Amino acid sequence: DAGITQSPRHKVTETGTPVTLRCHQTENHRYMYWYRQDPGHGLRLIHYSYGVKDTDKGEVSDGYSVSRSKTEDFLLTLESATSSQTSVYFCAISESGRTSGKNEQFFGPGTRLTVL
Amino acid sequence: AQSVAQPEDQVNVAEGNPLTVKCTYSVSGNPYLFWYVQYPNRGLQFLLKYITGDNLVKGSYGFEAEFNKSQTSFHLKKPSALVSDSALYFCAVRDLGYQKVTFGTGTKLQVIP
Repeated sequence: DAGITQSPRHKVTETGTPVTLRCHQTENHRYMYWYRQDPGHGLRLIHYSYGVKDTDKGEVSDGYSVSRSKTEDFLLTLESATSSQTSVYFCAISESGRTSGKNEQFFGPGTRLTVL
Repeated sequence: AQSVAQPEDQVNVAEGNPLTVKCTYSVSGNPYLFWYVQYPNRGLQFLLKYITGDNLVKGSYGFEAEFNKSQTSFHLKKPSALVSDSALYFCAVRDLGYQKVTFGTGTKLQVIP
């Protein structure tokens, strides 16, 4: 988990409220990702970023938005939280370059979100 | 589209015995394949990867994996299991030229003392 922090680590919120999760890296990696982990589904990609202000959708992006105004920070926002968004959220980073597809990802410690 | 399957939700093995965690994949081009391990209440940690070259890849903590193109498999192996290997293991695939990685559903490895 070195070089990647997530905040908060735990959060309980109510249905309909907005929630923002933060991922911060000190590795200066170009690519950043948000995943959610649910039993029976493994990790599913929500959104990813390939540079400052450059983002793209993953397979489960509905109800989520992201922003990246600085290299080191990648924010995930649940615009109006629902119970189906109760999950563990992981941020990941990977290096860039011509061989970026070959590079492994490094994961943060996760944020456990409960939506009541 | 790319996909990866881990057919076993859980694998039990006795300490000292060899272990295998299975993974099969589907991609349209050449695959990049990865194994990650997750300990309780932690993020995923990289174990090893196959990019090209030798079909047997060695990684961290004594783990290795064998790439088999004809069977589209990338099984994780270790000659002698330790209790401390008990964790959740994820296989992942990335199609050449495609930035997104697809993860399997995970296999829980239980090493019995």
